[in-house]
Amino acid sequence: QSVLTQTPSASGTPGQRVTISCSGSSSNIGSTYVNWYQQLPRTAPKLLISRNDQRPSGVPDRFSGSKSGTSASLTISGLRSEDEADYYCAAWDDSLSGRVFGGGTRVTVL
Amino acid sequence: EVQLVESGGGLVKPGGSLRLSCTASGFTFSTYSMNWVRQAPGKGLEWVSSLSSSSNYIYYADSVKGRFTMSRDNAKNSLYLQMNSLRGEDTAVYYCARVAPGSGWNEDYWGQGTLVTVSS
Repeated sequence: QSVLTQTPSASGTPGQRVTISCSGSSSNIGSTYVNWYQQLPRTAPKLLISRNDQRPSGVPDRFSGSKSGTSASLTISGLRSEDEADYYCAAWDDSLSGRVFGGGTRVTVL
Repeated sequence: EVQLVESGGGLVKPGGSLRLSCTASGFTFSTYSMNWVRQAPGKGLEWVSSLSSSSNYIYYADSVKGRFTMSRDNAKNSLYLQMNSLRGEDTAVYYCARVAPGSGWNEDYWGQGTLVTVSS
């Protein structure tokens, strides 16, 4: 059972908009930055969104992040076949004095 | 270009030990905090340990506390994870990752990982 809760799966057709949620608490998402990572099959995770809503250089602008209270979300606007991957949210937890990850959301492009 | 290369993984028996290394290049290693994160086969990401740039602050997941030791040698641009009393549930790909400054221990670059298999 992960400290951060993500829905296990999401899907859409090419061009559709998909939103992935990440629910936490006041000791993690509610008090610090959230990052989002993309993990393509058989590869290492890659930073997708930093500090809640910042897109690193090279990340397509169809990816966006937001945070409100103790929840965060990742939106893929204009879904493409190459976006088929696992997506993880993560944050520091002050109560645990450690990092916590969501369980991951597998995005399927239909 | 930031590069993180892990090594030292392999097959080890339950109760055994293994030392992972991570060699960094493309950035000033001594000024960055670092994390170890693992991923069991077919499972999600699990944080293992975090270490500040000067080794002043160190944190461990409860699942490895007392068995794993994270350390670094800034002169060698290297990060280490000494793993003792290994268990089957420690079987995973272990990633070292750089922490983005001022990010709340969030990672910005990851290595390709090294596989640790604990089995008799």
